[in-house]
Amino acid sequence: EAGVTQSPTHLIKTRGQQATLRCSPISGHTSVYWYQQALGLGLQFLLWYDEGEERNRGNFPPRFSGRQFPNYSSELNVNALELEDSALYLCASSLFYEQFFGPGTRLTVL
Amino acid sequence: EDKVVQSPLSLVVHEGDTVTLNCSYEVTNFRSLLWYKQEKKAPTFLFMLTSSGIEKKSGRLSSILDKKELFSILNITATQTGDSAVYLCAVGANAGGTSYGKLTFGQGTILTVHP
Repeated sequence: EAGVTQSPTHLIKTRGQQATLRCSPISGHTSVYWYQQALGLGLQFLLWYDEGEERNRGNFPPRFSGRQFPNYSSELNVNALELEDSALYLCASSLFYEQFFGPGTRLTVL
Repeated sequence: EDKVVQSPLSLVVHEGDTVTLNCSYEVTNFRSLLWYKQEKKAPTFLFMLTSSGIEKKSGRLSSILDKKELFSILNITATQTGDSAVYLCAVGANAGGTSYGKLTFGQGTILTVHP
């Protein structure tokens, strides 16, 4: 069974640009979660999508947004990039309570 | 605000040692506690605990939850160099609160196992 996949693996942007990160959940999973793992800060919850709807949102500004498509894949958009947005962005999927993580996208903002 | 605290923050042992990692939590509407192992990128799911006093075991790893004292421990016996990783503890909450759906993570314990 294929796991959670994310693309791209690495992304380099400059301040003020926009970044789009993609996630495909495990087949049959309807929920997708996004987390930010910045150096020294641990995993911070960003967004939760279930059945195409945003269900919960962490303490991040509105320039972090996303969506979930009918096939349950998801996209995270970060607008007006700032240097402190540099981090590993992890996507997870679940059917019930256990969340299974993808390999992440390393975003570097220069 | 939900809070998860892990200790120690880092641990260095030799192969064959037994280690105990700690996780304490404060969360409204507790539902489950999860342990993950993170080596390079993706955290790998280890255990999910929902009931007090019931040990979950997988090979040399085991974990138990105490819902009265609000903590969990992860034990690793006969450690190997391949156990070197960051071990993450996370807590999930039930519906009805703002924490529903998300996991709140601790800062992790960095385990280094020397040959």
